[in-house]
Amino acid sequence: QKEVEQNSGPLSVPEGAIASLNCTYSDRGSQSFFWYRQYSGKSPELIMSIYSNGDKEDGRFTAQLNKASQYVSLLIRDSQPSDSATYLCAVKATNAGKSTFGDGTTLTVKP
Amino acid sequence: DTEVTQTPKHLVMGMTNKKSLKCEQHMGHRAMYWYKQKAKKPPELMFVYSYEKLSINESVPSRFSPECPNSSLLNLHLHALQPEDSALYLCASSPRRDDQPQHFGDGTRLSIL
Repeated sequence: QKEVEQNSGPLSVPEGAIASLNCTYSDRGSQSFFWYRQYSGKSPELIMSIYSNGDKEDGRFTAQLNKASQYVSLLIRDSQPSDSATYLCAVKATNAGKSTFGDGTTLTVKP
Repeated sequence: DTEVTQTPKHLVMGMTNKKSLKCEQHMGHRAMYWYKQKAKKPPELMFVYSYEKLSINESVPSRFSPECPNSSLLNLHLHALQPEDSALYLCASSPRRDDQPQHFGDGTRLSIL
């Protein structure tokens, strides 16, 4: 089992729809959770971080964390073609010097 | 504009060449990272420096040699690379090693002939 698993893509949604990206992790000691967006040919860019159970909203983005079920998700409301990118989930345990990345989910938003 | 600057943006080198990748940040971050990323794969951690000392080496071959001359600079010295080392090399920084998030540079796209 991979340490961090993301739902297999690619994921395609129409413009204006909600895109749902999921991530599960195996280490129960994980405390910090991050979503990065990476456009083709560009470097990853942090878009959301979440540390506590529940929802965290930032504009059109909502991160959801459930530590008991060991999953974290990212919802993108009113999806735009500019949201088309690969989304990377990263998980970090307390006192670990590094995060573990999932393989990423490629999202395409069709006009 | 990225706050982590990497040079060069592109590098083509032969297997016998010696070259260096450079990374600079002026955010006062004390942790700096090197990642390797192949196409359609996530970033793969290579090295972590914390307060200018090597903190993590993910069993990287010795043909890759990191160096952290000061808190703002991180180099990756390359020697006798193989074609499979062709990839995007990303530098990142964070306030401290145990902090997140990490700020990534734009990367150096390396091609080994």
